[in-house]
Amino acid sequence: GAVVSQHPSWVICKSGTSVKIECRSLDFQATTMFWYRQFPKQSLMLMATSNEGSKATYEQGVEKDKFLINHASLTLSTLTVTSAHPEDSSFYICSAATSGRNNEQFFGPGTRLTVL
Amino acid sequence: QKEVEQDPGPLSVPEGAIVSLNCTYSNSAFQYFMWYRQYSRKGPELLMYTYSSGNKEDGRFTAQVDKSSKYISLFIRDSQPSDSATYLCAMSRIKAAGNKLTFGGGTRVLVKP
Repeated sequence: GAVVSQHPSWVICKSGTSVKIECRSLDFQATTMFWYRQFPKQSLMLMATSNEGSKATYEQGVEKDKFLINHASLTLSTLTVTSAHPEDSSFYICSAATSGRNNEQFFGPGTRLTVL
Repeated sequence: QKEVEQDPGPLSVPEGAIVSLNCTYSNSAFQYFMWYRQYSRKGPELLMYTYSSGNKEDGRFTAQVDKSSKYISLFIRDSQPSDSATYLCAMSRIKAAGNKLTFGGGTRVLVKP
């Protein structure tokens, strides 16, 4: 149990376009979902925390207008990178947590974004 | 200074050896400690979850927490080539679904056959 999926697993887009990444908890309802980005050989950096039905809380330095997060249901959160630029190329990982699972965070497999 | 420090490695060991990993932290508010394994281009996988000082064992893995020294460790016994991955320590202040995790930088481990 506790499976989190992400779609797509990788995406290549042109500079200036927008990209949407989906994060789903497949076998549990996630009270909270988190979005991270990870650059090569670096650790995970938290971008934002989202709770179902409410606005996401962004970490300092993360542009909320550039990284749009929607947590429409207890099993789905989306991250939209708007007007993507090459410096947005990274590995984006989501995680999901619920009190019913001892508050552990379960991570998705990640989405590799390359902006040309 | 980072809140959580972790040696990046790489740490290379022969198959069957004990892998010893550790993290230090500066914030005494951290109460819950986790170790994740991350294979290349994959999401992290939770290995161990502890919240009290002392040892916790699970199969080949032993997690150790010393809150007085702000130091945590993970030991992997009888290491296998499949253990080759990056190991991330993480910690949080509270135990709640909305708790934020603070990660160490990760240690890359290579187990040679």
